Amino acid sequence: QSAPTQPASVSGSPGQSITISCTGTSSDVGGFNYVSWYQHHPGKAPKLMIYDVNKRPSGVSNRFSGSKSGNTASLTLSGLQAEDEADYYCSSYTSSSTWVFGGGTKVTVL
Amino acid sequence: QVQLQESGPGLVKPSQTLSLTCIVSGDSISSGSYYWSWIRQPAGKGLEWIGRVYTSGSTIYSPSLKSRVTVSIDTSKNQFSLNLNSVTAADTAVYYCARFRLSETNAFDIWGRGTMVTVS
Repeated sequence: QSAPTQPASVSGSPGQSITISCTGTSSDVGGFNYVSWYQHHPGKAPKLMIYDVNKRPSGVSNRFSGSKSGNTASLTLSGLQAEDEADYYCSSYTSSSTWVFGGGTKVTVL
Repeated sequence: QVQLQESGPGLVKPSQTLSLTCIVSGDSISSGSYYWSWIRQPAGKGLEWIGRVYTSGSTIYSPSLKSRVTVSIDTSKNQFSLNLNSVTAADTAVYYCARFRLSETNAFDIWGRGTMVTVS
């Protein structure tokens, strides 16, 4: 199974909105609503930001939102802040009962 | 709060076995609400899911690593482990242990800080 495709990098100015895509197949992203998103600052533990496509864990800012259409899931960051600069990964359950991560997207706040 | 801490050698010789342990504190590893997983990140690359173990001892592994990996659980010590045999330089990575919360989030909600393992 290959990793869902994410853009290598996305950038935006403070206050703007950006969207990160995660394109898989009908055997992973498109086939299940078990898509999650993680924020990873280098040297730290990854942090769960979105689960079940569009749900936010307690404590995560409502500036983060998730959606899915077909085989593509998306993470939107609204009101971009300097602290949002990090790597972001999507993850999906697969038809093989395993999990797969996307290739990761580096978010830069200009 | 729940914490996960990876431990193990930082340097492994090629062809040998990489062995790591994840100690879980603040919660019982015997809870039926979680899978316990290993995930790694080679330098400059993305995250790769390795495998998971349930409290019963049942396991599922990544197809690409299945022939070389074993994940086991020790409920008496509240920890789980990773063994990866026949390692090569391609197995050099930061290895994370993580808790996958069934039903409530269906996601990896708690992660360790990771441990760097170099194969050389």
